[in-house]
Amino acid sequence: GEDVEQSLFLSVREGDSSVINCTYTDSSSTYLYWYKQEPGAGLQLLTYIFSNMDMKQDQRLTVLLNKKDKHLSLRIADTQTGDSAIYFCAESYAGFQKLVFGTGTRLLVSP
Amino acid sequence: DSGVTQTPKHLITATGQRVTLRCSPRSGDLSVYWYQQSLDQGLQFLIQYYNGEERAKGNILERFSAQQFPDLHSELNLSSLELGDSALYFCASSPRGQGEWETQYFGPGTRLLVL
Repeated sequence: GEDVEQSLFLSVREGDSSVINCTYTDSSSTYLYWYKQEPGAGLQLLTYIFSNMDMKQDQRLTVLLNKKDKHLSLRIADTQTGDSAIYFCAESYAGFQKLVFGTGTRLLVSP
Repeated sequence: DSGVTQTPKHLITATGQRVTLRCSPRSGDLSVYWYQQSLDQGLQFLIQYYNGEERAKGNILERFSAQQFPDLHSELNLSSLELGDSALYFCASSPRGQGEWETQYFGPGTRLLVL
């Protein structure tokens, strides 16, 4: 079944690394995503990973996928106050375009 | 700016009423998706249209309906509104919406408040 879980809240200091975690239950997930939601704005795709990959790096963002444990993480290096937002992980399946979203993690970055 | 536009930005209405939310996809995108974000249900997929035809259905209530017009804009109609329908409604679009993976581009959302 479709069930994606995230911790609700994370607080870090500016310059530290942030790690946001996500667990999912459906092993047939093909693509896994991280979206960012800022107040009053839509959902911005940050990065994605195909299920046959273990890791993907994109500038300050590192995505790790542990398919055995169905665990996905997003690491943000050198976190800035502008990174404060809600982060959603999401999954989709081959042939189906709908996204199944997690509960969202609110990241608060303090100066 | 994703290129997806949604109107109105905010909508306040009363229980029992009917509202229409409008979405214009990115230029050239054939697929439109509707999602609902509420406090108790989180972000949920409602429905997808591809080139005017319904392609996939999610947790959409029978009181809700959608359509995609020949110019590819889409409308989500919500009727017999209840307090629990208060939510942020997102529209997203993608080039084809079938086959190979592709990015969904989200609009800024319409915030609906039912009083």
